[in-house]
Amino acid sequence: GAVVSQHPSRVICKSGTSVKIECRSLDFQATTMFWYRQFPKQSLMLMATSNEGSKATYEQGVEKDKFLINHASLTLSTLTVTSAHPEDSSFYICSAKGNLYTEAFFGQGTRLTVV
Amino acid sequence: AQKVTQAQTEISVVEKEDVTLDCVYETRDTTYYLFWYKQPPSGELVFLIRRNSFDEQNEISGRYSWNFQKSTSSFNFTITASQVVDSAVYFCALKGTYKYIFGTGTRLKVLA
Repeated sequence: GAVVSQHPSRVICKSGTSVKIECRSLDFQATTMFWYRQFPKQSLMLMATSNEGSKATYEQGVEKDKFLINHASLTLSTLTVTSAHPEDSSFYICSAKGNLYTEAFFGQGTRLTVV
Repeated sequence: AQKVTQAQTEISVVEKEDVTLDCVYETRDTTYYLFWYKQPPSGELVFLIRRNSFDEQNEISGRYSWNFQKSTSSFNFTITASQVVDSAVYFCALKGTYKYIFGTGTRLKVLA
């Protein structure tokens, strides 16, 4: 299968700062990227879907100004958690889908801890 | 509405036992895909299998097998002769025309 790389795998930041998470498709062009949030021992919650070159589509209840998503190229999408607070601490996972594949492939996830 | 139900929150088995993880889905789409993913303690999601709605043929891959029954809207996953390395959370997912919907996951613990 295709490879999706997510960076960083772990990040600790101070409350009030912003954190950027990168998601890269290494060997295919990702026309669509998805960002998920996973609380401990819970399922994946879709936060937003982004298509290359256009604005992300956010799920209901997800703050657009808090979780900034950029999909500037066919191989890179970024999620920026702005003015992070402890309640934003979570596991964030991206997935990417290209036209050649039916399934999306997932990154390794980023564990964000806001202190 | 689309929904995926994994009623088993946690299952514990002894090594070498067979175990079946249940997945029931709801969708109004006529064309859809079903998936199983494994999430080990490290967190990444590992793709295991994909099935489209027109292909009800069961599949076996090594110790893994999948039973897709459209009549009962189920897509169950069986691990034969389980091993400690199979310990993980397993997610069933449904994809219709747009997005993936994940079940709540089943935590499998295989005890030595």
